[in-house]
Amino acid sequence: AQKVTQAQTEISVVEKEDVTLDCVYETRDTTYYLFWYKQPPSGELVFLIRRNSFDEQNEISGRYSWNFQKSTSSFNFTITASQVVDSAVYFCALSLNRDDKIIFGKGTRLHILP
Amino acid sequence: EAQVTQNPRYLITVTGKKLTVTCSQNMNHEYMSWYRQDPGLGLRQIYYSMNVEVTDKGDVPEGYKVSRKEKRNFPLILESPSPNQTSLYFCASRMSGVGSGAEAFFGQGTRLTVV
Repeated sequence: AQKVTQAQTEISVVEKEDVTLDCVYETRDTTYYLFWYKQPPSGELVFLIRRNSFDEQNEISGRYSWNFQKSTSSFNFTITASQVVDSAVYFCALSLNRDDKIIFGKGTRLHILP
Repeated sequence: EAQVTQNPRYLITVTGKKLTVTCSQNMNHEYMSWYRQDPGLGLRQIYYSMNVEVTDKGDVPEGYKVSRKEKRNFPLILESPSPNQTSLYFCASRMSGVGSGAEAFFGQGTRLTVV
């Protein structure tokens, strides 16, 4: 069975601190895709990144970076020098190559305190 | 602009009164789905559709119906809403084709309260 676990339900950090959101996934498939979505207080879901299972290269986009490690089935998300606007719920998700379903983790609520 | 449009954004209704939440996408996506989001439970899939006239149950389909008569539209129907269906609902579409790995595009959400 496929599963995505975000063990951190809620995190609070002070502005300018770095913060890492953990994501652990389970699948026996060899080809799959991993995603991160952001849900700001306004409620919409915003796509952040997609990774396929054959690309373990870490990615950096501004203050955001993602660390994909197949050996530990993890796809962690780090925000460097956090800002209040980063406050949101963040979802990690998994999609298999053999169907179109996307399986979401339960989300991590991130509070950035001024 | 590529988008998924849901209506209404907010809805308060009474138990048993049939309602429909509309969803429309302009990206010609084959795959569409409905999710509900509840505190502590994340996003759970209600129904999905691989293409016109093809729908299937997700993880929490009880109490819901869907239809896919046109590619762009995927309405969610609650024939007899109950308070436990109070939730935040999202419609999503995605470019299909097994192996596409495409991201899903989400509507802005519908906050439904059943009293």
